[in-house]
Amino acid sequence: QQQVKQSPQSLIVQKGGISIINCAYENTAFDYFPWYQQFPGKGPALLIAIRPDVSEKKEGRFTISFNKSAKQFSLHIMDSQPGDSATYFCAASSNTDKLIFGTGTRLQVFP
Amino acid sequence: GAVVSQHPSWVICKSGTSVKIECRSLDFQATTMFWYRQFPKQSLMLMATSNEGSKATYEQGVEKDKFLINHASLTLSTLTVTSAHPEDSSFYICSARRQGFSYEQYFGPGTRLTVT
Repeated sequence: QQQVKQSPQSLIVQKGGISIINCAYENTAFDYFPWYQQFPGKGPALLIAIRPDVSEKKEGRFTISFNKSAKQFSLHIMDSQPGDSATYFCAASSNTDKLIFGTGTRLQVFP
Repeated sequence: GAVVSQHPSWVICKSGTSVKIECRSLDFQATTMFWYRQFPKQSLMLMATSNEGSKATYEQGVEKDKFLINHASLTLSTLTVTSAHPEDSSFYICSARRQGFSYEQYFGPGTRLTVT
């Protein structure tokens, strides 16, 4: 199965809170899991990515948690800021194959 | 590093005309480039994958004769929408995979096409 299921569809968080977005996949051949951030009218920007040999990767306020056995991975945004308000897409790929994108999560951070 | 540009950023054309969109990797060589289409509030839909010097591979349901893709060099790919119709109006985004980095894809800023 090539699908990547993403939830929630939308998320509202107060400034300073933690934003959590979840993704699940079926294809065990996937071995690259990036997260992209997209602002309205702009192209997606690579935020952070993880390979399945580690369970967590942190870059600044952004952390990916990866659960290989459950075939799930999530993005945590700590100390969420209004400037983080955007649409976030998870994705997955195997080897050098194409990226399979999740459906996106619209995050709104209120001051 | 890893900057991808697109030109134009927006274009309005009349029904029946053709439009060319350019995608360039500015500071790296891209062995593979991808073209996506995105409708409002939806995810990215892959249209085709192109490798430098070879024919593009189109996703199922994408008309090859309508969306012509040329990957002329390691830094340039073009998408030509031929005989455009209003239903072709969309946000078109390209991405590029760096030579030697088999996984990472870097996206351009997108091109808004409106067909009147």
